[in-house]
Amino acid sequence: SAVISQKPSRDICQRGTSLTIQCQVDSQVTMMFWYRQQPGQSLTLIATANQGSEATYESGFVIDKFPISRPNLTFSTLTVSNMSPEDSSIYLCSVESGRDQETQYFGPGTRLLVL
Amino acid sequence: AQSVAQPEDQVNVAEGNPLTVKCTYSVSGNPYLFWYVQYPNRGLQFLLKYITGDNLVKGSYGFEAEFNKSQTSFHLKKPSALVSDSALYFCAVRDMWGSNYQLIWGAGTKLIIKP
Repeated sequence: SAVISQKPSRDICQRGTSLTIQCQVDSQVTMMFWYRQQPGQSLTLIATANQGSEATYESGFVIDKFPISRPNLTFSTLTVSNMSPEDSSIYLCSVESGRDQETQYFGPGTRLLVL
Repeated sequence: AQSVAQPEDQVNVAEGNPLTVKCTYSVSGNPYLFWYVQYPNRGLQFLLKYITGDNLVKGSYGFEAEFNKSQTSFHLKKPSALVSDSALYFCAVRDMWGSNYQLIWGAGTKLIIKP
C-alpha cells in the first residue's frame, strides 16, 4: 500500500483567505483524489486529479473555489480559495493502489477551521 | 443508482463480545466492497475488501467480513471486541464494470466498545 502524507495537518484561517494543502505519496500513482469530510460524517469527493490533465470536479465543486495541481505522479495540491466558515472541514487526499488499482489509501487529513 | 447503507449510526458492544457492523449495498454490476476504519483525529485506514472468490474475507486487526450476494450485504465482524476497536467504520462499494467506478460511501457507523 502507498504511504501518503499531507501538509498542514491542521490550520486555523481567516475568512477570505486561501489555504493550499499538499499531498505527497511515496510511490508513483496515476489517480489521486481529494475528499471533504465533516467530523463524524461520511466522505464527499471533491475532485479526481490525474497527472498531466485537468482535474475532474464533482457536482457542487468548482475549479475557481478548489483549484488543484498535479505536477507529477507523486504530488498534488488542493487550494481552498476565498474561505468562509462553511469550508471548515477535514480534507483528505487518497490514491488508488493494488493490483487492479481497486483500493484507495488515504492520507492523515488536514483539519481546517475558518473563522 | 449505486448506494451503500449502514443502518446503524452507533453500535455498542462490551469488550470481549463479538461485534457486527452492518452494510448493505446496491449496484448494477459486480461490486467491489470495502471497509475502512477512522480512529479519532486520524485519516481513514483500509481494513479489508471483497473482489471475488471466498465470500469470507479477513483483514487487519482481526476483522473479517462476509459477502452475501443474495442479501446484498457485506457485514463487518470480529469474534472478540477490544476497547481499542472503538472508532468510526465506513463501508464503501465500487462497480468496477460500470460507467461510474467511483467509490460510493456509507454514512459510517460509530463503534463503541465498553470495558
